[in-house]
Amino acid sequence: SQTIHQWPATLVQPVGSPLSLECTVEGTSNPNLYWYRQAAGRGLQLLFYSVGIGQISSEVPQNLSASRPQDRQFILSSKKLLLSDSGFYLCAWSKTSGPAFFGQGTRLTVV
Amino acid sequence: EDQVTQSPEALRLQEGESSSLNCSYTVSGLRGLFWYRQDPGKGPEFLFTLYSAGEEKEKERLKATLTKKESFLHITAPKPEDSATYLCAFRDDKIIFGKGTRLHILP
Repeated sequence: SQTIHQWPATLVQPVGSPLSLECTVEGTSNPNLYWYRQAAGRGLQLLFYSVGIGQISSEVPQNLSASRPQDRQFILSSKKLLLSDSGFYLCAWSKTSGPAFFGQGTRLTVV
Repeated sequence: EDQVTQSPEALRLQEGESSSLNCSYTVSGLRGLFWYRQDPGKGPEFLFTLYSAGEEKEKERLKATLTKKESFLHITAPKPEDSATYLCAFRDDKIIFGKGTRLHILP
């Protein structure tokens, strides 16, 4: 069966510091991969999605970036965090069709 | 622009009081409509996939239906443990979510 791992679960970072969140998927090959952000009490905002290694589509212009160095690895990064980057970050995978399946999320607080 | 709108934003029901959540969508080529449940501090949990108008799926006290413009999540005789945020999403080449309905079932 497929599993998705996302870490860390919580993170407190100062403004201006870098960020790296990692997500890996097991039990499937060539998945579509997604990064979403959820502000408190809000819906899921799609940040990036990837249909293959090195193929990244950005949905929202901001100071975040994503990379997919391996087939089942997806990384969300920032060089300098802003207060507005605080939120709940979720990684997900899917097949070419069908629903997405989510990790447990990372609660990021920028102070 | 493709989009999905959920209503109501929040709903409080007494235990056993049935109701429906709405998800309306505008998308040029629907490749699947999905319902999820999300508990506080956790990632969304997949519930149902619907592909074509008239399709229905059921799981315990939940039933999802689909028309050409909207989907409903019917909750029959809910229990307090059904309290959660329910999200719908659609797929074109990516998966786009609505803002969700926060459901609270009072014992």
